[in-house]
Amino acid sequence: GAVVSQHPSWVICKSGTSVKIECRSLDFQATTMFWYRQFPKQSLMLMATSNEGSKATYEQGVEKDKFLINHASLTLSTLTVTSAHPEDSSFYICSARGAGTGDNTGELFFGEGSRLTVL
Amino acid sequence: AQSVAQPEDQVNVAEGNPLTVKCTYSVSGNPYLFWYVQYPNRGLQFLLKYITGDNLVKGSYGFEAEFNKSQTSFHLKKPSALVSDSALYFCAVRDGYSGNTPLVFGKGTRLSVIA
Repeated sequence: GAVVSQHPSWVICKSGTSVKIECRSLDFQATTMFWYRQFPKQSLMLMATSNEGSKATYEQGVEKDKFLINHASLTLSTLTVTSAHPEDSSFYICSARGAGTGDNTGELFFGEGSRLTVL
Repeated sequence: AQSVAQPEDQVNVAEGNPLTVKCTYSVSGNPYLFWYVQYPNRGLQFLLKYITGDNLVKGSYGFEAEFNKSQTSFHLKKPSALVSDSALYFCAVRDGYSGNTPLVFGKGTRLSVIA
């Protein structure tokens, strides 16, 4: 299957700093990427849908100025957590859907996730 | 709106016994249904999907799932459980008629296979 890579896998930062998480599709072009957040022992919560070359669509309750998403190329989307606070500590997972595959079956390829700890 | 329910937080089964992880869904159009598995501190791995065709879908690692339209269910099954199957399992759905929509996930079911 297709490979989606996330970096970093683990990040610890001080409160008030910003953290950038990268999501790359390694062997396919991804017109659409989705960012999810997972709290401990809970399900995945969709944060936003990122389309290449346009603004991300955020889910209700997700602060767009807090969680900046950029999808500047067909293989890279970034999530920047700005002025991070301890309550932002979570597991962030990206997923990507390929372009031009004719696949409307909805299978997503997931990154390995990035665990953010804000002190 | 789409939704998925996984009624069990935890399923315990002895190694070698059959296992079932339950999932029911709600979607306005045609359901596209998926099962994913997650190991600790890892991303999600795809197990299987139902789009159309046979109601019984076979996937990775010996898992299968049966689509039941009348009961709006998509339970995950395996005839003989392995200790290595212990993980967190997510059922997900998207509306097949709604274009480029994301998946909506259930809250997950933790499977524990005991040797």
